[in-house]
Amino acid sequence: GQQLNQSPQSMFIQEGEDVSMNCTSSSIFNTWLWYKQDPGEGPVLLIALYKAGELTSNGRLTAQFGITRKDSFLNISASIPSDVGIYFCAGQLDFGNEKLTFGTGTRLTIIP
Amino acid sequence: KAGVTQTPRYLIKTRGQQVTLSCSPISGHRSVSWYQQTPGQGLQFLFEYFSETQRNKGNFPGRFSGRQFSNSRSEMNVSTLELGDSALYLCASSLAGPVNEQFFGPGTRLTVL
Repeated sequence: GQQLNQSPQSMFIQEGEDVSMNCTSSSIFNTWLWYKQDPGEGPVLLIALYKAGELTSNGRLTAQFGITRKDSFLNISASIPSDVGIYFCAGQLDFGNEKLTFGTGTRLTIIP
Repeated sequence: KAGVTQTPRYLIKTRGQQVTLSCSPISGHRSVSWYQQTPGQGLQFLFEYFSETQRNKGNFPGRFSGRQFSNSRSEMNVSTLELGDSALYLCASSLAGPVNEQFFGPGTRLTVL
């Protein structure tokens, strides 16, 4: 099945560092969503982006919707231990079409 | 407000059997989508139900089916289980309006032996 290109695949950082990950697609999406998933749980919505060029923050998280609507990035500032998990981007083509196409995920590990 | 709930959380079946999974959306949400998550294929869209009608469908065989009830609760059925059906099955609900934020349940972990 189709997946978005998400990078990096994994990250090993120290507590307090900033994190950046991005997602690209060959398709234009109307909506970009960023989720975090902990082991054995469902994805939790972090940020939703609806307009090309939109920059949205949620606490230490900042995400941007690319101008071309084919990419998005997520930044996490001053990482803390609870940021550990797998981050997924997801694109939605049209309003009224609830299908989400997911990225391959970025696994974030914090080194003590 | 309660989140999306899924039952059961864990299920073990053998090849050839069938299974039914249940999802209760967030109150007021009318759209329910189902996803399969595996290490190899990641998160893949199965189908979406809105107002008791299947509105969108992913690329899965006909062994995968679902339905939605008038209270928006949804069930997913997999018949003639195969080993490759072992996965985490996730349900997500949304208002299905101009703001299309989907909220996921904890998932049902299906193991096929």
